[in-house]
Amino acid sequence: NAGVMQNPRHLVRRRGQEARLRCSPMKGHSHVYWYRQLPEEGLKFMVYLQKENIIDESGMPKERFSAEFPKEGPSILRIQQVVRGDSAAYFCASSPVRYEQYFGPGTRLTVT
Amino acid sequence: DAKTTQPPSMDCAEGRAANLPCNHSTISGNEYVYWYRQIHSQGPQYIIHGLKNNETNEMASLIITEDRKSSTLILPHATLRDTAVYYCIVRVVETSGSRLTFGEGTQLTVNP
Repeated sequence: NAGVMQNPRHLVRRRGQEARLRCSPMKGHSHVYWYRQLPEEGLKFMVYLQKENIIDESGMPKERFSAEFPKEGPSILRIQQVVRGDSAAYFCASSPVRYEQYFGPGTRLTVT
Repeated sequence: DAKTTQPPSMDCAEGRAANLPCNHSTISGNEYVYWYRQIHSQGPQYIIHGLKNNETNEMASLIITEDRKSSTLILPHATLRDTAVYYCIVRVVETSGSRLTFGEGTQLTVNP
């Protein structure tokens, strides 16, 4: 059973471009969470999704950030018009229904 | 979610047991204790969780005090690969899942 997959692993964008981060949950997992880790800081929750539904987006910045988890395909975290402060590691986690969350290897976004 | 307090850093000799403490004096009756770790630059890794009874799995043991105000994660035979930041998290586990709130954690360094 493959683990949580994230791609790309590294992403470089210039200021003003869009970044799309993908997360494929573990097989059978219908819950996806996104977390962000800024340089030298701890992990912060961003958003929690189930298939086709956003359950909790209280950690998402109000502008430029969006997330989706369509019926088919991976979950996508989208950052529009990136700024240098968006440079961070973005981790996705999945869980079957409750209890433990399993994390992917992360996508490291660098904004130049 | 209840606040947790952990020592910022600990050292352990390779082959010895590593005992990582966590205080969660305001824990509620329906909150579980979870432990995760993050090896440098990797995604967090689930270790173990418990409600009130002691738990053991292939990675570690979790000892929760009778009043549930504190717990200890035990790595019975620490190896160099156990060097990581260890996070103690308490959370309510709803039927539909919930976020993880990461604190500062404990940087465990296993020395040869």
